[in-house]
Amino acid sequence: GDSVTQMEGPVTLSEEAFLTINCTYTATGYPSLFWYVQYPGEGLQLLLKATKADDKGSNKGFEATYRKETTSFHLEKGSVQVSDSAVYFCALSDAGQLTFGKGTLLTVNP
Amino acid sequence: EPEVTQTPSHQVTQMGQEVILRCVPISNHLYFYWYRQILGQKVEFLVSFYNNEISEKSEIFDDQFSVERPDGSNFTLKIRSTKLEDSAMYFCASSELAGGQITGELFFGEGSRLTVL
Repeated sequence: GDSVTQMEGPVTLSEEAFLTINCTYTATGYPSLFWYVQYPGEGLQLLLKATKADDKGSNKGFEATYRKETTSFHLEKGSVQVSDSAVYFCALSDAGQLTFGKGTLLTVNP
Repeated sequence: EPEVTQTPSHQVTQMGQEVILRCVPISNHLYFYWYRQILGQKVEFLVSFYNNEISEKSEIFDDQFSVERPDGSNFTLKIRSTKLEDSAMYFCASSELAGGQITGELFFGEGSRLTVL
């Protein structure tokens, strides 16, 4: 079945550091790929998505590129802020149902 | 901005008791979901609901679980007889049905934390 594997956390960075959170997937079809973010005390929010190979999703300075050849969708940001501290979830969607990774806790210190 | 709302935010119950978690999805959405996250583990799919019936459910969603859309507004998850291992954060989500395809973009509520003692 479909599955998502993402980098184990927690990840702790200083403000303005470069962020990468790795995500790889296994799927039988041609899924859409997502990054969701959960800020403290809030629900899951869509951060960005890509629906086909080589698409790049971007939002709030975050980017991820759908790489079919490596079945990956790594999340990157060039310069993180304290307000980016949250749990980040990689997910795939095949016909509507989402399959999530375990989540990666990011803490950004001033 | 429209949002999915869930109540209660936290419920503590005794093992064997019935629990109902409530959700109000975004008003023009047609697909509804329940997910759960046991502490430290993955967010897991429980069930999807469309056109007043279950469209898909996972192995977790056994006979102890049921869902209902009683009044066209609320979407509820009932656990008939709670077990210790039902302790988790339960997320409700909804999505649009666009062009005959489900976009895959789900809008989530803040979650209901269930603690079973």
